[in-house]
Amino acid sequence: EPEVTQTPSHQVTQMGQEVILRCVPISNHLYFYWYRQILGQKVEFLVSFYNNEISEKSEIFDDQFSVERPDGSNFTLKIRSTKLEDSAMYFCASSELATDTQYFGPGTRLTVL
Amino acid sequence: AQSVAQPEDQVNVAEGNPLTVKCTYSVSGNPYLFWYVQYPNRGLQFLLKYITGDNLVKGSYGFEAEFNKSQTSFHLKKPSALVSDSALYFCAVRPWFSGGYNKLIFGAGTRLAVHP
Repeated sequence: EPEVTQTPSHQVTQMGQEVILRCVPISNHLYFYWYRQILGQKVEFLVSFYNNEISEKSEIFDDQFSVERPDGSNFTLKIRSTKLEDSAMYFCASSELATDTQYFGPGTRLTVL
Repeated sequence: AQSVAQPEDQVNVAEGNPLTVKCTYSVSGNPYLFWYVQYPNRGLQFLLKYITGDNLVKGSYGFEAEFNKSQTSFHLKKPSALVSDSALYFCAVRPWFSGGYNKLIFGAGTRLAVHP
């Protein structure tokens, strides 16, 4: 069964550093998403992406964040200058259509020191 | 404000007994409703969804959920719990007519513990 994959599984970085989280969505899916879950809190929507454009973003997704689909398979989330409060589990998801079920990857745990 | 509530942090049930994990939502329009399960060190796995039609939907691993529009609820159920069902369960809603039709709004999660 096709799966969403994410790398790395755990990323440790220093405050102020840039990080790139990588995702490989399910191959025939057209819609891509990033969510995050701060420890002990709800899963929160960050951004959705379709046709090489951001289709929606939350208030969390400020200028420090960016997304990109650099090739036909990868979908990345970049945080330009990490803050302590960016420490969280970041989940990538994809869906075939906008109205379809979103399938999630295993997550990347980001720890900012 | 749009929200999803899972009123129980934890549900404890004996193996073989029926289980219910509760979810209520507050969104306008006709939302799509989802249940996901998270096992330790794993991502969110899709269990089932309600879009339209029969209020009782069946999903993976013997789970089902009942949509109740008047009570704005979407409770997850299983007739006979297994120890292997122990996990963290998330209810999620995708608003449709409220704008932001892509995003899922999640509840806080309910930890299900099934005891032998």
